[in-house]
Parts: sequence; structure tokens; C-alpha cells
Amino acid sequence: KNEVEQSPQNLTAQEGEFITINCSYSVGISALHWLQQHPGGGIVSLFMLSSGKKKHGRLIATINIQEKHSSLHITASHPRDSAVYICAVRATGNQFYFGTGTSLTVIP
Amino acid sequence: DAGITQSPRHKVTETGTPVTLRCHQTENHRYMYWYRQDPGHGLRLIHYSYGVKDTDKGEVSDGYSVSRSKTEDFLLTLESATSSQTSVYFCAISPVVSNYGYTFGSGTRLTVV
Repeated sequence: KNEVEQSPQNLTAQEGEFITINCSYSVGISALHWLQQHPGGGIVSLFMLSSGKKKHGRLIATINIQEKHSSLHITASHPRDSAVYICAVRATGNQFYFGTGTSLTVIP
Repeated sequence: DAGITQSPRHKVTETGTPVTLRCHQTENHRYMYWYRQDPGHGLRLIHYSYGVKDTDKGEVSDGYSVSRSKTEDFLLTLESATSSQTSVYFCAISPVVSNYGYTFGSGTRLTVV
């Protein structure tokens, strides 16, 4: 049983397309994180959310606590956005759960 | 990543030997975490620390121990390495309150032969 499910697992897009990655979770949470992992392994924290919506450049993250769902949107996608995007939750019991990631490839 | 360093970056060791991985931070963050990342499993929490000498177990703590004697250092020890512990290990840090979540280290690739 996975406490965090992401979809799609793999995504290929043309440069400029609007991209959405979804995350659903089954536990009560205190926060949800979106992480980005580039080829070569480095992991960068993009957002931490506990409610509503956050925007950083071309990235937008939303969360619906009642539906236990979050989305990560990338507007005007670019090949440098190619990476694995990971959804993670900090459960109310202080456990941490991670999705297995969405591998995004943006083609020029 | 700026402010957090993992060492070594790569290590090959034999089954049954002890191994210690080091995470060093210069951000004075309270929380430090050790994760392992394996294909098909994503990131899984091994142990975390919420202060000097304050640690707690994560999801996959069996076979691992940790120590934090100083704010800046968090050590992960495999007492007797097994092949199932071949993985990529990531350290992460976070302050008590953060709008930006974690900062991750660059990872340590450990191979147990």
C-alpha cells in the first residue's frame, strides 16, 4: 500500500506545453512537498504546502486538503524542466511518505 | 547543495563491514534526515534528528543507526553492511519553520558487494 500516489509515472511534452502532475495521498498530513530531481541525482525542494496555492516562476502548486490531492503545474514548459518530480507528505504522526516520482521529458 | 555536504559521494564496501556516512550542514537547521532511494520505492526515511542527541526512527531503520553530537553533523552507520543496503543515500535539512521545505545533499552512492 502506497500512502502517496503520483500520476502519471512518465510524461513527455513538447516545449511550451502546460504540464500537470498529480499527487493523491491517503493519510492526514501537516504538509506536502514537491521535489525535483535532475539526472545526476540532485534533489531540490520546490514547494511546501499546507493549504491553497503557491507560485514560483513558471511553477504552480495547489493542494486540496479535503480531497487529499495536490497538483504541480508547469507553464510554458522547457527542456530544462526535464526531471523527476516527487510528491512527499509529512503525516500528522510525523512520518514522511514519498511518491515514486513522475519522470518528465520536455522535447524541444 | 549550498550549506549541506555529504561524504563520501561514492563508496564500495564488502558485506559485513561497518560503514559510516556523514552529513554536514552550515545552516544551523534543527532538523536533519537520512533517506535511501531505490528504484520502485522512491525516497524512504531511515532516521531523522530534531536536535543534538535527539533522534527518531523512520520507515526503514532496521540495520541502521545514527548519531548527532553536534548541530552540524548527522552520521548514519551501517553496523554490518548487507547487499540489500546498496542504495543511494540522501541527507536533508530543514529549519523548525520553513516555507520552502527541505534542502537535500548531493547523495552518497553505496554499493555493498
